[in-house]
Formats: sequence, structure tokens, C-alpha cells
Amino acid sequence: DAKTTQPPSMDCAEGRAANLPCNHSTISGNEYVYWYRQIHSQGPQYIIHGLKNNETNEMASLIITEDRKSSTLILPHATLRDTAVYYCIVRGIYNQGGKLIFGQGTELSVKP
Amino acid sequence: NAGVTQTPKFQVLKTGQSMTLQCAQDMNHEYMSWYRQDPGMGLRLIHYSVGAGITDQGEVPNGYNVSRSTTEDFPLRLLSAAPSQTSVYFCASSPKTGSDNQPQHFGDGTRLSIL
Repeated sequence: DAKTTQPPSMDCAEGRAANLPCNHSTISGNEYVYWYRQIHSQGPQYIIHGLKNNETNEMASLIITEDRKSSTLILPHATLRDTAVYYCIVRGIYNQGGKLIFGQGTELSVKP
Repeated sequence: NAGVTQTPKFQVLKTGQSMTLQCAQDMNHEYMSWYRQDPGMGLRLIHYSVGAGITDQGEVPNGYNVSRSTTEDFPLRLLSAAPSQTSVYFCASSPKTGSDNQPQHFGDGTRLSIL
């Protein structure tokens, strides 16, 4: 599975959109981009995933560039409860076992 | 549905002791995994299973054993605990689908300290 690069930390004002970037320049055509977050050492929580089209669910939007070498997770109206470490993970379609390779993630601090 | 349940939540061991971390899921998921997380780090995969009776090694398998006798349970065994195994351990499960792109569900973790 391809490696990812994320900024170690970001700040966001409460109520504003949080845009978290991820670089995955070595991604291959059969690899998905997944986002998870971890709030205060709890178990990671799934947010969203996509292959090449942009995706949106009740939690967030995922924007994947046309060349698929990078993506952005968007939390449209960040709240204090969105303060967490966000992990961008690339996982192959044929990944047996559902296993994930985590990087260091981005620590997002939402401030009042 | 309880989801993924890990027990115990906290444990302190002495070097050389053995113990089993329990993980159970009630979602009938075929895939289960164990990860460890050291302070300030991301999670690292220890062992995983694609179904009952089948297990395989992840990134950091040394010092740990697993077995999968039922779909529901995936225990992690430390045969002789070492201080380097002090960590937070997470269990995860996910369903097997044709495209293998289902997200994993994580438990709340077991915080293990080895003195």
C-alpha cells in the first residue's frame, strides 16, 4: 500500500471549515484513500473513503485530485469535538484482512 | 450491537508474566486485526485474521501470538511480557466484501503497562 504524507498539526477556528491535506504521490489505480480520526486516545473512528470521485457523507467531504496524488478532507463546520488526530491511509482494493498502515497523522486543534 | 469489545481496559504486568488480551465482535465480521499504539505514534499492525482458523503476521508480530477459533473472538497473547510491550492495544474488525473496501471498526483499547 502507498505511503502518505500529512502535516503534523493544524489549527482551525470553531465554525469554520477545516481542510486537511494528504499527499499520496505513489498511489496506484487500485488503491482507495481512507480517512480515520482518533479522539483523545480512543479507538480510531472511520470518517470517509474514496477511489477517484469526490465523496461526501454526514461527517465530511473528501476531495481527490484528478491525478489522485493528493486529497483533502473537509470538515465543513468544525466544532470543538472535532479536535483529534486525523489519519489519511491508502489501502489496496485487494487488501486481505482489511488491515491498515497508519502514519503519524495530523493533529487538528479546533479553537473557540 | 456492542460492536468491538476489548477486555481488560487497563492492565499492569511484571516483566516475564503472560497474559491474554481479549477481543470480541458481534457483527459477524470475517476480518479482525490487532494494533499497538505507542505514545505520539500511529497504530502499527501486530497480527490479523481473514477468518476462523486463519491468521497472519503484520508489521510488528514478535512477542505476540494469536489464534482465531471462532468468528467472534480474536485473543492476543503475550507469552513473556517485556517493558517494550508497554502500549495501548486496539482490536478492529471489518466485513469481507467482494472489493475488500469496507472500513474497520475499532474497540476502545487496552492500556498495558509492563514493569
